[in-house]
Amino acid sequence: AIQMTQSPSSLSASVGDRVTITCRASQDIRDDLGWYRQKPGKAPELLIYAASILQSGVPSRFSGSGAGTDFTLTISSLQPDDSATYYCLQDYSYPLTFGGGTKLEIK
Amino acid sequence: QVQLVESGGGVVQPGGSLGLSCAASGFIFSSSGMNWVRQAPGKGLEWVAYIRYDGGKEKYSDSVKGRFTISRDNSKNALHLQMSSLREDDTALYYCVRDLPREEARFDSWGQGTRVVVSS
Repeated sequence: AIQMTQSPSSLSASVGDRVTITCRASQDIRDDLGWYRQKPGKAPELLIYAASILQSGVPSRFSGSGAGTDFTLTISSLQPDDSATYYCLQDYSYPLTFGGGTKLEIK
Repeated sequence: QVQLVESGGGVVQPGGSLGLSCAASGFIFSSSGMNWVRQAPGKGLEWVAYIRYDGGKEKYSDSVKGRFTISRDNSKNALHLQMSSLREDDTALYYCVRDLPREEARFDSWGQGTRVVVSS
């Protein structure tokens, strides 16, 4: 199975900050990567798919980039509502695999 | 709007069996790939199983292959997960998840989950 390594595992940032989360695949997955946000006590929600396509309804402060093995999720201006855990998911091949998650705290 | 409502969770002993269901509404169920994703208490997300819109393709994680079976009834807009030989590490919140239309393995809608506890 493809291993997905996310970093950092946690971070703390202030409202208005630019935040970057990375995800590394154990092999080339083209651009078959998605990003999900899970707020405490809630189901996850899709933010980005195909590495850089913003899901409908997701604020434009979220963006994704990367291809091959290295990917990035960027929040351009952090908002209080962004306090959550973020996961990447490779959909290049089955079994699908998630990264370990990045817990983002607002200072 | 899309609605996915899971049911069937509960407490079961190790080695036992349990069946989960997901009632889907607000979209054309028979056109959508569907998945189960689980989350152990305090842990991350783990994809469990996938079934194609017509039931003609199934995929499983290595951890459940041979023990879990995903199925669907398009006439009833229902997704199922039959779990057997349950282990304590199967304890988790199980989410029913829809594929984004025309985008397999990209999850655009999630239920609220049903909790499974495997314990003696």
